[in-house]
Amino acid sequence: AQRVTQPEKLLSVFKGAPVELKCNYSYSGSPELFWYVQYSRQRLQLLLRHISRESIKGFTADLNKGETSFHLKKPFAQEEDSAMYYCALSSAGGTSYGKLTFGQGTILTVHP
Amino acid sequence: DSGVTQTPKHLITATGQRVTLRCSPRSGDLSVYWYQQSLDQGLQFLIQYYNGEERAKGNILERFSAQQFPDLHSELNLSSLELGDSALYFCASGRTPQETQYFGPGTRLLVL
Repeated sequence: AQRVTQPEKLLSVFKGAPVELKCNYSYSGSPELFWYVQYSRQRLQLLLRHISRESIKGFTADLNKGETSFHLKKPFAQEEDSAMYYCALSSAGGTSYGKLTFGQGTILTVHP
Repeated sequence: DSGVTQTPKHLITATGQRVTLRCSPRSGDLSVYWYQQSLDQGLQFLIQYYNGEERAKGNILERFSAQQFPDLHSELNLSSLELGDSALYFCASGRTPQETQYFGPGTRLLVL
């Protein structure tokens, strides 16, 4: 069974401070990991996909298979980063390919 | 807007009733996914279709059913509604199961 854990429900930082949103996963196969963001009253948007290795809006995430983690990081948080962040996992093959398992989400608040 | 669209935006109904939620995927997308977002369960995968065929099932109740039509739009039918079915229902679409999922704005269902 696949499982995603985001241990922090709420995270508060000040503008300009580094931020790290934690994500741990459990999956026996080869996973694909994602970060989605949901700004207030807006739809979920893809922020990062681990296979693309992109940096979006200054955010990066590295897949650590040894620690089964995919933490999201940004060196200098901005007020506009305040949102709900979801870590998600999909199997990288088979008939379940595409089915996303989400963590419970972390609400990030960046204070001025 | 050529993104994923969902109707209606809001739905208020009574216990025991039946409702139909509609989703139009992005142009060219063959995969459609349904997710339920509730306060206690978080974001949960319900069901996935690809080019009209059911591909994967998640935690979808027997009272719920879905289909994808030849024009690729999808409908999620919820019957014998209970208070606990109150949630935000998201549809997402992607070109193939391997590609990024784009989410719709959701339908907020309130069962009284």
